[in-house]
Amino acid sequence: ETGVTQTPRHLVMGMTNKKSLKCEQHLGHNAMYWYKQSAKKPLELMFVYNFKEQTENNSVPSRFSPECPNSSHLFLHLHTLQPEDSALYLCASSQVSTGELFFGEGSRLTVL
Amino acid sequence: QQQVKQSPQSLIVQKGGISIINCAYENTAFDYFPWYQQFPGKGPALLIAIRPDVSEKKEGRFTISFNKSAKQFSLHIMDSQPGDSATYFCAASINSGYALNFGKGTSLLVTP
Repeated sequence: ETGVTQTPRHLVMGMTNKKSLKCEQHLGHNAMYWYKQSAKKPLELMFVYNFKEQTENNSVPSRFSPECPNSSHLFLHLHTLQPEDSALYLCASSQVSTGELFFGEGSRLTVL
Repeated sequence: QQQVKQSPQSLIVQKGGISIINCAYENTAFDYFPWYQQFPGKGPALLIAIRPDVSEKKEGRFTISFNKSAKQFSLHIMDSQPGDSATYFCAASINSGYALNFGKGTSLLVTP
């Protein structure tokens, strides 16, 4: 148990569906992140929230929409996805001063 | 452009042997170099990290060697055990900040 909980663990959706991934951290951290993990590729940073403010958006397509209502919760809203978006989506949190990321177990997304 | 290059992609080591994974980077502003370990079905977890003011850091059977002039760093796992079988990721960032740049990962298998 890393203190970062992601739901759902598995999600299958069609290209026209709307779904959301949820992340909750119980570590008192002030930064939260979404990463995309695909086979044979580096972990790709998607979004960063620092004290609930989005500080980084790595040219992520608009079909991915993040939301950070407070410092403990992070969502990734999914809409009109493509099959190539199928991947493991990892949430992480950290204290900005330390840099150590604590990852959740990920949400395995399959887009049909 | 991949900022951190990791090799090998996969590695098989006999129990008791030494596992060595190498990473190279280009950005001389990087000053924080962590290694993450990921088991199947789990998110990555910080294993060990180093800053460029030292050339080596050891924690138990795990050692990071750092060569600033060559812009390379490596992970050595001494007395490798089957329980070490996992995927290992090197990463680099500036000021241990949140923009971690990950390598593609090395899948390590330690055979009995």
